[in-house]
This record gives sequence, structure tokens and C-alpha cells, in this order.
Amino acid sequence: GNSVTQMEGPVTLSEEAFLTINCTYTATGYPSLFWYVQYPGEGLQLLLKATKADDKGSNKGFEATYRKETTSFHLEKGSVQVSDSAVYFCALSSTGGGNKLTFGTGTQLKVEL
Amino acid sequence: GAVVSQHPSWVICKSGTSVKIECRSLDFQATTMFWYRQFPKQSLMLMATSNEGSKATYEQGVEKDKFLINHASLTLSTLTVTSAHPEDSSFYICSAPDPGQPFAEQYFGPGTRLTVT
Repeated sequence: GNSVTQMEGPVTLSEEAFLTINCTYTATGYPSLFWYVQYPGEGLQLLLKATKADDKGSNKGFEATYRKETTSFHLEKGSVQVSDSAVYFCALSSTGGGNKLTFGTGTQLKVEL
Repeated sequence: GAVVSQHPSWVICKSGTSVKIECRSLDFQATTMFWYRQFPKQSLMLMATSNEGSKATYEQGVEKDKFLINHASLTLSTLTVTSAHPEDSSFYICSAPDPGQPFAEQYFGPGTRLTVT
């Protein structure tokens, strides 16, 4: 079956530090990959996505590249801000999965001044 | 972007009673909605797929008689936790895919915190 593995949190960084949150997956076929973000008290929002190998998703300074050879979709940002503090979820939707999403456990990011 | 709301945002009920949670798509029609359950510091677990005008599809291990889903209109799906017990306490989240997006971009509700005492 499908599965997503994320690094455990919380991750605590100083403002302007470099961020990497690792995500690897197991899936049949050719899944689409997503990063969702959940700010305190809010619902999950799509942060970025990639639908095929070597695609790079990007949004709000965050990037992730779909690496089929390593089955990874690591999230990166060059300079984090306090406002980036949230929980980040890696997810996949497999081919023919009917829009069903399989989520990782989520990684809490705390950015301090 | 599209908005999905949930009501209530939190609820406390006594063991043995039933609780209904609503999920609404506010500015788009959703023929399909998904219900998830999230335990503390754990992933979202898909419980069921709610289909407008037909029966819900439940994931393996989810009791359909305990978690009743009704998708009565194109903007409303409800999840009823019947005869709730403390182990049903959890954070319940719904989502709906954007019908205009081919790659499963979904919009999530803010979640409902259920506590069963």
C-alpha cells in the first residue's frame, strides 16, 4: 500500500535559517506529491505540489523536487520567517486513487527570532 | 481559494450519545468529500469518502455503523458518531477536492475536536 514517511518534529530554527523537512514515500504507479501546511487554528492548505518525476513545486519561497529514484520529496526554504511556524504535511495521491490522499505524520516547525 | 467550513469546531459529549459534525463547501459544489481522523502528533487517517447522492465508501477498519456519513447535497456532508465512547475522542477533518483541478488539490475544513467523557 501507499505510505509517506516524514522526519519527526518539532523542528526549531532561528529566523533566516535554512529549512529542510525530509519526506520519502512508497506508492504503486506514479503518484502526485504534495506539501500541505496547517497554521495554528486553521485547516490544511496546499503549499505546493509536483505531479511527475523531476518536477519542482514552489510557493512562498518553499521548494520541493519530485525524485523518483530516491522516492523523496523533501521540502526546503532558504530563509525561514517566524510566520512560517506551522505543521507541515507531506502527502501523495496515487494514480487512479480517486483523489485520496495518504499523509505523513506531519512535522511541526517553530521559528524563533 | 475555495473554502470548506466545519461545525462545530469543538464538542464535548457524554459516553453513549451521538454527535453530528457538518462539513460545508461554501463557494463550490463538491460531489465528493473526504473525512479524516487525526490523533495527537499523528497523521491524518482517511476514514471514508462521502459521495453526493450515494452511499459513502469506508476505508478498511472503519465501522460504518458507528460513523454514519450522509452527503445530502452538493455542499453538505455530515458525519455522525453514534454511541460515542472515549476512544472516539479525536480531531475530525473534512476535505473536498476542487472540481477544476485534475490533481487532487483539496480544500480542508478547520477540523472538529470531539471529546467524549
